[in-house]
Amino acid sequence: KQEVTQIPAALSVPEGENLVLNCSFTDSAIYNLQWFRQDPGKGLTSLLLIQSSQREQTSGRLNASLDKSSGRSTLYIAASQPGDSATYLCAPEGAAGNKLTFGGGTRVLVKP
Amino acid sequence: GAGVSQSPRYKVAKRGQDVALRCDPISGHVSLFWYQQALGQGPEFLTYFQNEAQLDKSGLPSDRFFAERPEGSVSTLKIQRTQQEDSAVYLCASSLYKGEAFFGQGTRLTVV
Repeated sequence: KQEVTQIPAALSVPEGENLVLNCSFTDSAIYNLQWFRQDPGKGLTSLLLIQSSQREQTSGRLNASLDKSSGRSTLYIAASQPGDSATYLCAPEGAAGNKLTFGGGTRVLVKP
Repeated sequence: GAGVSQSPRYKVAKRGQDVALRCDPISGHVSLFWYQQALGQGPEFLTYFQNEAQLDKSGLPSDRFFAERPEGSVSTLKIQRTQQEDSAVYLCASSLYKGEAFFGQGTRLTVV
C-alpha cells in the first residue's frame, strides 16, 4: 500500500524567500506524480505533473523534482509571495493509473 | 463545462438521512475519482471509474457508501443512513485516462 509523507507539515517564511517542500512515498512503482495547491475551503488546483520517466518539471517560479528510485519529490517555489500561502499536496499515481495517494500536505504561510 | 463541477457545494444532513452528491466531470474524461477529505488532512481515495465501470471501490468505508456512473459521464456518490463520522469534504476528480487529474470544488457534508 502506498504511503506518502510530506515534511514539514507547516512552514512560515518572509516574502521573497525560496520554499522547499518535501514529499516521500513508499512504493516507487508509480506512473506519475502531481503537486497540488489547496486554498482554505476550496478544491485542489493542479500545479505540476511529473511523469515517472522525468527528473523534473518547471512552471514559472515552480520547479518539481522526482527521484523515483528513492521515493522522493521536492517542490521548489522561488521568490515566495503572500499569494503563495496555501496548503501544498503531493500525490503519486499508481502504476495501474487508477489512484492518486495523497500526503497530509504542507501548510505554507508567506508573510509580507 | 470548463472544469469539474460538484453539487451541492454544502449539505447539512440529519443523522440517519440519505444524501446524494453529484459530480460532472470534464467532457471526454474517461477516469473519474471520488475522495474524502477530513479537516486538516489530505484527501483519501474512495472509488474509481473508467467510463461506466467501477474498477476500484476499495476505499469506500462501509456498505452505506455507494457510487455510480451509469452513462460514463456524470457520477453520483450516495451515502445512506448518514453518521457524524461521515462529515467531511467529498472531492471528485477526472482525467483523460492516466495523467493529470482535475478536481472539483468539493461538497462539504455536515451531519448533525
